[in-house]
Amino acid sequence: EIVLTQSPGTLSLSPGEGATLSCRASQSVSSSHLAWYQQKPGQAPRLLIYGASSRATGIPDRFSGSGSGTDFTLTISRLEPEDFAVYYCHHYGSSPPITFGQGTRLEIK
Amino acid sequence: QVQLVESGGGLVKPGGSLRLSCAASGFTFGSFYMSWIRQAPGKGLEWVSYISASGSTMSYADSVKGRFTISRDSSKKSLYLQMNSLRAEDTAVYYCVKERGYTYDSWGQGTLVTVSS
Repeated sequence: EIVLTQSPGTLSLSPGEGATLSCRASQSVSSSHLAWYQQKPGQAPRLLIYGASSRATGIPDRFSGSGSGTDFTLTISRLEPEDFAVYYCHHYGSSPPITFGQGTRLEIK
Repeated sequence: QVQLVESGGGLVKPGGSLRLSCAASGFTFGSFYMSWIRQAPGKGLEWVSYISASGSTMSYADSVKGRFTISRDSSKKSLYLQMNSLRAEDTAVYYCVKERGYTYDSWGQGTLVTVSS
């Protein structure tokens, strides 16, 4: 089973700053199977990035994804107030289980 | 516009059963894999089960295998999750999710299942 470890657990930043969130897989995964989601309190998650680096429909270009193998990054440039949320990385394996990272909470400093 | 509306959640005693439903609209339901994903209170996301577009292939997380059954009815554009032998650790918000490729591109708002005596 592939384990996804996200860091940091909590990131405290101010609006206007940039954010870098990390997702590390316990073994090499296909970039096409790696995605990122955003979840705000009381809401369902929303797809941000798929295929490690492609933005989903309607996602602002301040969100970008990168990485390959075991190390993946979600970068948010110029944080907006609505960006403060929890972010999850996700790997959809060719055989179950399908796994999520434990999440990174992005909070206002 | 894709809409996924879950129903059927509630309070159930340990060992009891519950059936969740998800009504889908705004897309060709019979063309997409569908999944259930859950989130325990204050916790992260956990994949529960998926079913293929045709309904011929299903898969389950080890934590629910043998107790939960996923199904779909394309004529009703509906997804279901039959949950038996429920345990306290099954307490969570259950999301109905549409798959696209290797991602979950549309989520319902979720239905809360509470397993408690």
